Amino acid sequence: AQSVTQLDSQVPVFEEAPVELRCNYSSSVSVYLFWYVQYPNQGLQLLLKYLSGSTLVKGINGFEAEFNKSQTSFHLRKPSVHISDTAEYFCAVSDLSGGSYIPTFGRGTSLIVHP
Amino acid sequence: DAGVIQSPRHEVTEMGQEVTLRCKPISGHNSLFWYRQTMMRGLELLIYFNNNVPIDDSGMPEDRFSAKMPNASFSTLKIQPSEPRDSAVYFCASSGDSYEAFFGQGTRLTVV
Repeated sequence: AQSVTQLDSQVPVFEEAPVELRCNYSSSVSVYLFWYVQYPNQGLQLLLKYLSGSTLVKGINGFEAEFNKSQTSFHLRKPSVHISDTAEYFCAVSDLSGGSYIPTFGRGTSLIVHP
Repeated sequence: DAGVIQSPRHEVTEMGQEVTLRCKPISGHNSLFWYRQTMMRGLELLIYFNNNVPIDDSGMPEDRFSAKMPNASFSTLKIQPSEPRDSAVYFCASSGDSYEAFFGQGTRLTVV
């Protein structure tokens, strides 16, 4: 079974500063990688995904992530954060089991943007 | 499409009562997942279905938990009897050919 490690449980940052949220996954022959965002009292929404091709993936709200196979990492970055980016961020990896791609999630990183 | 629809959004029940959570997946999606989210354990996969068939329920914590998917547009998660430690947010998600999971808004369950 796949596993995902999000190295930081909480990341405080000032508005307009850059941010990186770290994610490492257990190695597999092929993986699909995702970042989701969860705002308070809401479900998870997809930010971006890596399926194949270019290792730099761009998502919504100015976020991007880089797939690094040798380091089994998929870190999320944003060059300049906004107050509205304050939320919980989840890294996930999917692999095929029983005919379905099953997402396994990390424990989440709470991004706190200060004015 | 309206997305994944879960009901109710909030449920408060007394210990020992039966609780039924409901989910309508996105039309055309062939996989459905039930997750539980708590501060202590994060997001845990309870069970998933492929083409309405339960594939893996190893995440279901106890026999008090059961899930069904009688057709492609409806699934239930039942807890009987409920206990205070079942208090959590329960999410339903579905996926199709795009590999990503689409989540509902969740049901916040409080067992007192």
